[in-house]
Amino acid sequence: SQTIHQWPATLVQPVGSPLSLECTVEGTSNPNLYWYRQAAGRGLQLLFYSVGIGQISSEVPQNLSASRPQDRQFILSSKKLLLSDSGFYLCAFFSGDVNTEAFFGQGTRLTVV
Amino acid sequence: AQSVTQLDSQVPVFEEAPVELRCNYSSSVSVYLFWYVQYPNQGLQLLLKYLSGSTLVKGINGFEAEFNKSQTSFHLRKPSVHISDTAEYFCAVSEQGSNYKLTFGKGTLLTVNP
Repeated sequence: SQTIHQWPATLVQPVGSPLSLECTVEGTSNPNLYWYRQAAGRGLQLLFYSVGIGQISSEVPQNLSASRPQDRQFILSSKKLLLSDSGFYLCAFFSGDVNTEAFFGQGTRLTVV
Repeated sequence: AQSVTQLDSQVPVFEEAPVELRCNYSSSVSVYLFWYVQYPNQGLQLLLKYLSGSTLVKGINGFEAEFNKSQTSFHLRKPSVHISDTAEYFCAVSEQGSNYKLTFGKGTLLTVNP
């Protein structure tokens, strides 16, 4: 079966520190991968998506970057966190079949202090 | 670009009452439509989806939604809610040919009271 793992579940980081959130997918190959952010009181905003290894598309200008070093691994990074980077980050994938849906990870609650 | 509007940020109802959560979208191309549910500090779980075919879609936990192309709406309904339905509900749209990127509404907090 298809599963998605995202970690850590919670993270408290000081302003100016680096960030690395990891997401891995099992049970499928060549998935489309996505990073979304959910800010308090707002919907989910797409940050990055990837249709293949090394292929990253950024949806909004920001302090974050994404990488896809392996087919089923997606990493969200920052060199120096800002207070405004706080939020709930969700990784998701589509397995490429038009009859499927986006599967979401359990999310990472990031608080920048 | 597509957009999604969820008209109610909060909907309080009593247990066993019917509920409708409203969703309208705008897009210049054909779309796929989804409703997700989110429980506190968790990821999103798909309730139902419309890809094509019948405009009345049935999902999990007794929920259903109807796609109305002329009104560009995809309202979510349940005839009788339970306490356990208390959660945040998100409507989302994906334009065909967009690599399945989802655009979400801001969410509706459904609170079911005893």
